[in-house]
Amino acid sequence: GAGVSQSPSNKVTEKGKDVELRCDPISGHTALYWYRQSLGQGLEFLIYFQGNSAPDKSGLPSDRFSAERTGGSVSTLTIQRTQQEDSAVYLCASSKDPVGGPQHFGDGTRLSIL
Amino acid sequence: GQQVMQIPQYQHVQEGEDFTTYCNSSTTLSNIQWYKQRPGGHPVFLIQLVKSGEVKKQKRLTFQFGEAKKNSSLHITATQTTDVGTYFCAGKIQGAQKLVFGQGTRLTINP
Repeated sequence: GAGVSQSPSNKVTEKGKDVELRCDPISGHTALYWYRQSLGQGLEFLIYFQGNSAPDKSGLPSDRFSAERTGGSVSTLTIQRTQQEDSAVYLCASSKDPVGGPQHFGDGTRLSIL
Repeated sequence: GQQVMQIPQYQHVQEGEDFTTYCNSSTTLSNIQWYKQRPGGHPVFLIQLVKSGEVKKQKRLTFQFGEAKKNSSLHITATQTTDVGTYFCAGKIQGAQKLVFGQGTRLTINP
């Protein structure tokens, strides 16, 4: 597709379960970002991938959060042993400019932890 | 840590009134970007400013980048109901790899 694709669009799960969120960036975009947005709040940076460089994980809130990007394209954000405070919209963005260029966002995954 | 501060957090106006949101950084920025997020939507890139003192216009929207490249503003003239949403600035700190987003200004409009 032409834009950033995220799946699932909605995810409801029980506290303590693991979840995987997927992001398929725009073809040719080397930079990929994950953000978290709680209701009515700003964007909380989680992690940044750029090409084959080591990812910038400085925004991950705990060791329950991890992400990988395979083949420089699709990325998966994994949250282990989910907690209620993990409930939020998780947004993925990609950019063809590796150093702070305009970002194109997906529609996000709305995660609800019961 | 390095932050980009954005004010006000909320702004409610009557349709037809003007609106301005301000973005400030404690460190020099390589560029500043502005995004708009409609209710229930995702942020959409509006514009990027790179040069000191740069001013760009998009119809009723005017974007400015300060002379010192530490602040920026977005001004909307004669707001319309379609302008409703949250406006985010995002700055690239010099020497850093990623953008730092402001907390956003949520604009609501009374028709």
